[in-house]
Amino acid sequence: AQSVTQLDSQVPVFEEAPVELRCNYSSSVSVYLFWYVQYPNQGLQLLLKYLSGSTLVKGINGFEAEFNKSQTSFHLRKPSVHISDTAEYFCAVSDLAGTASKLTFGTGTRLQVTL
Amino acid sequence: DSGVTQTPKHLITATGQRVTLRCSPRSGDLSVYWYQQSLDQGLQFLIQYYNGEERAKGNILERFSAQQFPDLHSELNLSSLELGDSALYFCASSRGQGGMNTEAFFGQGTRLTVV
Repeated sequence: AQSVTQLDSQVPVFEEAPVELRCNYSSSVSVYLFWYVQYPNQGLQLLLKYLSGSTLVKGINGFEAEFNKSQTSFHLRKPSVHISDTAEYFCAVSDLAGTASKLTFGTGTRLQVTL
Repeated sequence: DSGVTQTPKHLITATGQRVTLRCSPRSGDLSVYWYQQSLDQGLQFLIQYYNGEERAKGNILERFSAQQFPDLHSELNLSSLELGDSALYFCASSRGQGGMNTEAFFGQGTRLTVV
């Protein structure tokens, strides 16, 4: 079984400041890792994904994440946030085994960007 | 626009009733996933279909059922509705059934309110 822990339920930050949203996972098998963003009254949009290869993954809207296998982490970062980044961010894992790959989501982190 | 279409966007119904949520996947995607998002449970995987066949089952109640039709659209049927079934129900689709084709694209969701 897999699980995802997002340690911060809310992260307040000023515009143009850097931000890091933390994600740790637990799995007995190798996994794929994802970050999704959910804007108010919207569906989930894929920000970035780690499938294999380079552990530093770049996504849309200036976000990036680093896969750390030894620490089982996949933290999301942005060097300078904008008001429009205010949203809920979800980390998710999917295992590589088998023929079905459901996503297991964390509880989400609410990023609140203010002036 | 993710290319995944869900109808209806909003649904209000009474306890004990039955409803059907519909999902049209992105063109070319064979897998359809259903997720439930509620305040107390977060994002929970319900069920996955691949090319018409059930592939994986999550925390789906016996009162709920789903199917995927030959044209690949999917329906989620919720019966004997309870107040606690009020939630946002997401459909997602992906190219394959697992592995590197796990990237899922989400619809905008159907907000179900049971009164």
